[in-house]
Amino acid sequence: DTEVTQTPKHLVMGMTNKKSLKCEQHMGHRAMYWYKQKAKKPPELMFVYSYEKLSINESVPSRFSPECPNSSLLNLHLHALQPEDSALYLCASSQFQGFAEAFFGQGTRLTVV
Amino acid sequence: EDKVVQSPLSLVVHEGDTVTLNCSYEVTNFRSLLWYKQEKKAPTFLFMLTSSGIEKKSGRLSSILDKKELFSILNITATQTGDSAVYLCAVQNSGGSNYKLTFGKGTLLTVNP
Repeated sequence: DTEVTQTPKHLVMGMTNKKSLKCEQHMGHRAMYWYKQKAKKPPELMFVYSYEKLSINESVPSRFSPECPNSSLLNLHLHALQPEDSALYLCASSQFQGFAEAFFGQGTRLTVV
Repeated sequence: EDKVVQSPLSLVVHEGDTVTLNCSYEVTNFRSLLWYKQEKKAPTFLFMLTSSGIEKKSGRLSSILDKKELFSILNITATQTGDSAVYLCAVQNSGGSNYKLTFGKGTLLTVNP
């Protein structure tokens, strides 16, 4: 199983809503990542978890709150988002942090209205 | 700051043509260079290159790295319409504990029948 599964595939939320994005992998990878990708731009790293601990936070606003409940799951909690946060949110995993071959999920297309 | 520049930004070819995509980089403490193919959503891993002069090959795709001149090329021979996608180049540093992937803006390849 070389799959990273993200849910939901699409999400529309209001600026006052609270929602969560979920990511799951069963490859035994110990590093998991959140990326944000705007249209026609490359993915931008948001967070890295290594062995379930937050390793990198790329100065992401606090309205995005990551959580890694166990080695297979990664969540991204969203609260009070802005329309400019609308983007494709990609989850990825790799064997270890620093192991470059990362597998990406299909992403969640988020629209903030 | 690490930098990855891809060229051309977009390319339109006919089926059967051969294309060469370019990626140049500036990175502190280079660790590896990766190529991804992104169609609708998830980037799909193609190659990881760490050593100069060693060609990686997978079917009609091949890639090579030049660590002295700081660039890589991705070749696609006998292109097919299914090769239409954005091709992303990313470099990974090994600075401290970061191990970040920095992506280029991508090359949009369109293969017409």
